Amino acid sequence: DQQVKQNSPSLSVQEGRISILNCDYTNSMFDYFLWYKKYPAEGPTFLISISSIKDKNEDGRFTVFLNKSAKHLSLHIVPSQPGDSAVYFCAAVDDYKLSFGAGTTVTVRA
Amino acid sequence: NAGVTQTPKFQVLKTGQSMTLQCAQDMNHEYMSWYRQDPGMGLRLIHYSVGAGITDQGEVPNGYNVSRSTTEDFPLRLLSAAPSQTSVYFCASSYLVGGLAATNEQFFGPGTRLTVL
Repeated sequence: DQQVKQNSPSLSVQEGRISILNCDYTNSMFDYFLWYKKYPAEGPTFLISISSIKDKNEDGRFTVFLNKSAKHLSLHIVPSQPGDSAVYFCAAVDDYKLSFGAGTTVTVRA
Repeated sequence: NAGVTQTPKFQVLKTGQSMTLQCAQDMNHEYMSWYRQDPGMGLRLIHYSVGAGITDQGEVPNGYNVSRSTTEDFPLRLLSAAPSQTSVYFCASSYLVGGLAATNEQFFGPGTRLTVL
């Protein structure tokens, strides 16, 4: 049973608008969360992370929000750009193991 | 710096054949890991290592063996390939900080696409 879930397989957004990607988790032992971005035929690349003791982390156009009580996190991309079109994976850390969600494919329309 | 390299890029096997997927990194990372990516499943951890001579199982270890004789290399062995092992395999590495290796940025290789007939 997947412990990290991304329930939206795809998201289409207009260039310049906000992209919001959601992620839910079930394991209360997770203490660190990360977002990875993946282009076709390439390995994932790290985007942004957040510790379980924080509720927000910002890096340029990317902001991650964590709601521990709801076991929910989200990634906001503002403004969305054509180069943001990719698959985004949510991931969570328990000890030395990383658990990934199924991914959300983001398409940014011109 | 070559980063994380994986060979081969593509491989086709017949059921029952064995093979080794190679992974190497030149960043002196202590932590290395193997994942498989399947449609609708995201990436699932197969095995990981926190240093030379130390390996442990991840979420889906059955059918796979690993060893870590050097810091740089972390090969993944399929002893008797099965069609269920058709997947894209990614190797990743990172530094270890405070024992929480995965909280660091993990560097991924480009992947190996494996088909088992």
